[in-house]
Amino acid sequence: DTGVSQDPRHKITKRGQNVTFRCDPISEHNRLYWYRQTLGQGPEFLTYFQNEAQLEKSRLLSDRFSAERPKGSFSTLEIQRTEQGDSAMYLCASSLDAGFEQFFGPGTRLTVL
Amino acid sequence: AQSVTQLGSHVSVSEGALVLLRCNYSSSVPPYLFWYVQYPNQGLQLLLKYTTGATLVKGINGFEAEFKKSETSFHLTKPSAHMSDAAEYFCAVSGTSYDKVIFGPGTSLSVIP
Repeated sequence: DTGVSQDPRHKITKRGQNVTFRCDPISEHNRLYWYRQTLGQGPEFLTYFQNEAQLEKSRLLSDRFSAERPKGSFSTLEIQRTEQGDSAMYLCASSLDAGFEQFFGPGTRLTVL
Repeated sequence: AQSVTQLGSHVSVSEGALVLLRCNYSSSVPPYLFWYVQYPNQGLQLLLKYTTGATLVKGINGFEAEFKKSETSFHLTKPSAHMSDAAEYFCAVSGTSYDKVIFGPGTSLSVIP
């Protein structure tokens, strides 16, 4: 059990560019969650998956954001036409199933210049 | 709807002194309550959680918290602070389905030698 991994750990991009982050959950975990954490704040829920199905999306997830989990294993979070306000730490978590503890990855820190 | 407030964005204690971090929650459903710790440039680590049963919950590193329904509180304590306890602490709440976790704004703990 290697824990939740995220790639890349850091990403610097220019405003208007697209970025994609990857999350690999703990093996056999059916649920996968995405959160966003801005400086000095607690993480905010973005979306979650049960296997490959995206079950809930926060209003924070604008049309520029899209998340996928095509085979029910790893997940990607894409941000199109990045804005400076997108600069944040993007955290991924996974859990065995509904009602089980979420385990968090180290996060991807995005800086939009 | 659920929300979390944490009194004090920054708390300083002397090494060996009592640590008390305050958390109040609001929830329209029976809550699950959590305390997470985040060290610089690292992901979130679960310190302890309350789901059902005993209202005094013991966690890792000597921390404990007490669920008080009448006060809608879940304060975190540790009898004797250690230098290694310096970190950001987040109180959080979810419903019993554990679909998404709602985090408070966090309290930064400093430990003075």
